[in-house]
Amino acid sequence: GAVVSQHPSRVICKSGTSVKIECRSLDFQATTMFWYRQFPKKSLMLMATSNEGSKATYEQGVEKDKFLINHASLTLSTLTVTSAHPEDSSFYICSARPPGGLVGYTFGSGTRLTVV
Amino acid sequence: DAKTTQPNSMESNEEEPVHLPCNHSTISGTDYIHWYRQLPSQGPEYVIHGLTSNVNNRMASLAIAEDRKSSTLILHRATLRDAAVYYCILRKNDMRFGAGTRLTVKP
Repeated sequence: GAVVSQHPSRVICKSGTSVKIECRSLDFQATTMFWYRQFPKKSLMLMATSNEGSKATYEQGVEKDKFLINHASLTLSTLTVTSAHPEDSSFYICSARPPGGLVGYTFGSGTRLTVV
Repeated sequence: DAKTTQPNSMESNEEEPVHLPCNHSTISGTDYIHWYRQLPSQGPEYVIHGLTSNVNNRMASLAIAEDRKSSTLILHRATLRDAAVYYCILRKNDMRFGAGTRLTVKP
């Protein structure tokens, strides 16, 4: 079945540094991928839509310069959290939809980011 | 955006059927009804989706009201591994999550 691989699963970084999270579709091509963040005990919040070969579309209130998204190929989208601060600590999840319409979206296993 | 309303939590006994309701009174004709579930510290997992007709797959059944303003996810025999947060989502071009229903399965 369709698989989305997300890496790393956990990362701890110091305040002020940048962290890159990768999202790969392993057995299908994804022209569009989605990035979410989730705080403890809360639901997923859509941050941005990543479009292959063009700029990402960000949701209202999400800082483009802080959360850099690059979708350089049909199987890879990356989210870079720049100049991370403790309030950026969260669970980040990506997703993509396999072609065909017979199944729903496939989600990565998530990345737990802790900024210290 | 069309929104969904689900109960915050539900309980079920193991090996009994579970009916998880979802109201979506502002659904439009092109909105697909998707259901996902999420276990702690994991990404959501696709369960089932449909447009107008009831749907069955190996995981669950989806019953869609005739006016499409509500739907019900049916787990035919709940197991302990079905304990999760279940999300009902109306999909247009993206996927936006509501609060979901936390399902507890008692042995």
